[in-house]
Amino acid sequence: DAGITQSPRHKVTETGTPVTLRCHQTENHRYMYWYRQDPGHGLRLIHYSYGVKDTDKGEVSDGYSVSRSKTEDFLLTLESATSSQTSVYFCAIRRGQGGYTFGSGTRLTVV
Amino acid sequence: KNQVEQSPQSLIILEGKNCTLQCNYTVSPFSNLRWYKQDTGRGPVSLTIMTFSENTKSNGRYTATLDADTKQSSLHITASQLSDSASYICVVSTGGGNKLTFGTGTQLKVEL
Repeated sequence: DAGITQSPRHKVTETGTPVTLRCHQTENHRYMYWYRQDPGHGLRLIHYSYGVKDTDKGEVSDGYSVSRSKTEDFLLTLESATSSQTSVYFCAIRRGQGGYTFGSGTRLTVV
Repeated sequence: KNQVEQSPQSLIILEGKNCTLQCNYTVSPFSNLRWYKQDTGRGPVSLTIMTFSENTKSNGRYTATLDADTKQSSLHITASQLSDSASYICVVSTGGGNKLTFGTGTQLKVEL
């Protein structure tokens, strides 16, 4: 979607295993975000990045970590996946004029 | 606490009909308000963005309104099409546009 891709699109993993989701952009934007989307909730911010190696927590950051070693890649890691982390994860980039573009999402199931 | 509430939760209309979706917010300080369309299995896609001083913004058959005094917004869809079937999400931003508060969306289904 318009210069932002997420991988994998779908993943099933077992409780207690580490999981890493990848967000890749091709447009050199400074700000990148990870959200989760669950039924009955609006999208909620997990972590965001405002530059290489510059990250900060969002409202639902417990159990998640992120890394940004290159401008184009923003990784979300679940250190030890739990069933409560079953969700759809969206990455977003912030464009100029305040616009945001979202990726197509990763559907993660923790069994 | 910043909140965005949307109504109705879901809506079914016949193709060709118009509909209006509502959004009420209690976000402060207000920066801008956005409407997104989210197709099943896809990420949200921006329809409109309005600042404090804008009352109306159109994007094809989509027209958004904003009343900053009452903290309400609406999204009007004209002459609906089957492809309009999606979730419509109202998003209010604060902090210079860097912090977003999302509504839970209105699920619209357009039928023949």
